[in-house]
Amino acid sequence: RKEVEQDPGPFNVPEGATVAFNCTYSNSASQSFFWYRQDCRKEPKLLMSVYSSGNEDGRFTAQLNRASQYISLLIRDSKLSDSATYLCVVGFNKFYFGSGTKLNVKP
Amino acid sequence: ETGVTQTPRHLVMGMTNKKSLKCEQHLGHNAMYWYKQSAKKPLELMFVYNFKEQTENNSVPSRFSPECPNSSHLFLHLHTLQPEDSALYLCASSPKSGLASETQYFGPGTRLLVL
Repeated sequence: RKEVEQDPGPFNVPEGATVAFNCTYSNSASQSFFWYRQDCRKEPKLLMSVYSSGNEDGRFTAQLNRASQYISLLIRDSKLSDSATYLCVVGFNKFYFGSGTKLNVKP
Repeated sequence: ETGVTQTPRHLVMGMTNKKSLKCEQHLGHNAMYWYKQSAKKPLELMFVYNFKEQTENNSVPSRFSPECPNSSHLFLHLHTLQPEDSALYLCASSPKSGLASETQYFGPGTRLLVL
């Protein structure tokens, strides 16, 4: 079983739509959780950390569900510039990356 | 710019060549990492260095040889690679001793093609 699993997508949504991704993790002792964004042929960049209480940054909301062992990312009012691959990262004794979920926001 | 630079950005090499990838971070971090990213696969951690000491080797073949002369520089020496080693090689750094609670900052990567 993979440490971190994500739906690869792609999620094709129109501008202005709300879209949500989930990511499941296998190790219940995982300590830290992040969402990274990776544009085509570029390096991953931190989008946001995910805290137990959930956190919001503008149009982006991240939540953690420890009981069900998943984290989620909600993007409201999607922009064309949100098109990218979103990587879920879970930390235990080291970082484990998901394969990413591809988002295409279309005009 | 994340403060992590990598050179070269692109590299084509034959299976008998020897080449080196270089990573430099200007963030004052103490932990540095090498990752491999192949198409449609998750990032694979290769090596971790904390305060210049290697703390993790994730069962990487010996044809990949890391070197960390100081906390700001990290090299990956390549020799007798195979075509399946073609991938994007990413360097990252984090502030402290590689704790899995810290943000990692990635360099732009070296896109490697082995012929």
